[in-house]
Amino acid sequence: GQSLEQPSEVTAVEGAIVQINCTYQTSGFYGLSWYQQHDGGAPTFLSYNGLDGLEETGRFSSFLSRSDSYGYLLLQELQMKDSASYFCAVSRNTGGFKTIFGAGTRLFVKA
Amino acid sequence: GAVVSQHPSRVICKSGTSVKIECRSLDFQATTMFWYRQFPKQSLMLMATSNEGSKATYEQGVEKDKFLINHASLTLSTLTVTSAHPEDSSFYICSARIVGDQPQHFGDGTRLSIL
Repeated sequence: GQSLEQPSEVTAVEGAIVQINCTYQTSGFYGLSWYQQHDGGAPTFLSYNGLDGLEETGRFSSFLSRSDSYGYLLLQELQMKDSASYFCAVSRNTGGFKTIFGAGTRLFVKA
Repeated sequence: GAVVSQHPSRVICKSGTSVKIECRSLDFQATTMFWYRQFPKQSLMLMATSNEGSKATYEQGVEKDKFLINHASLTLSTLTVTSAHPEDSSFYICSARIVGDQPQHFGDGTRLSIL
């Protein structure tokens, strides 16, 4: 089977740094993605890791350790507009490519 | 960047109606598109993988006769919710992927409400 675990909720203050962890269990692992979704909207892509290490895109960074089946999303200089749900998603290729989403982490940014 | 257009954005209709949702890749060819369903405050659940020119691959527990998928061209996939009932009310989102590339590109979603 397959599973993804991420915290259900995180609260942080403006300007702070927050890390959202994701552990996964799957066969045919291809890569780990992160998506942001505001209430009522569609998911928007934030970052992708196909190989071990850190990927940096502006205020957002993502890390992957394939040997540990673990990744995280790091959000720096938090802004109120960062309040949203964040999903880690595993892409796997087992006779067909598909992406499975975690349950999501709700981030609340306080002033 | 790659754009995926989904239409309509919102549908409200009576129980028993069939509803068609379109997903188009506007500036790239998508041999594979994906259909997701999302209930309020829950995750995106993959319903099916839509393959151009062949039958869709449905996830376990998804009724293929209920959710008809057609991927007739490299830029268009359609999802038809047949004889929709209130329990089918949900947010339906499509995505498309450029082969060999990441990430998936999502449409804006369709909010379906069955009365």
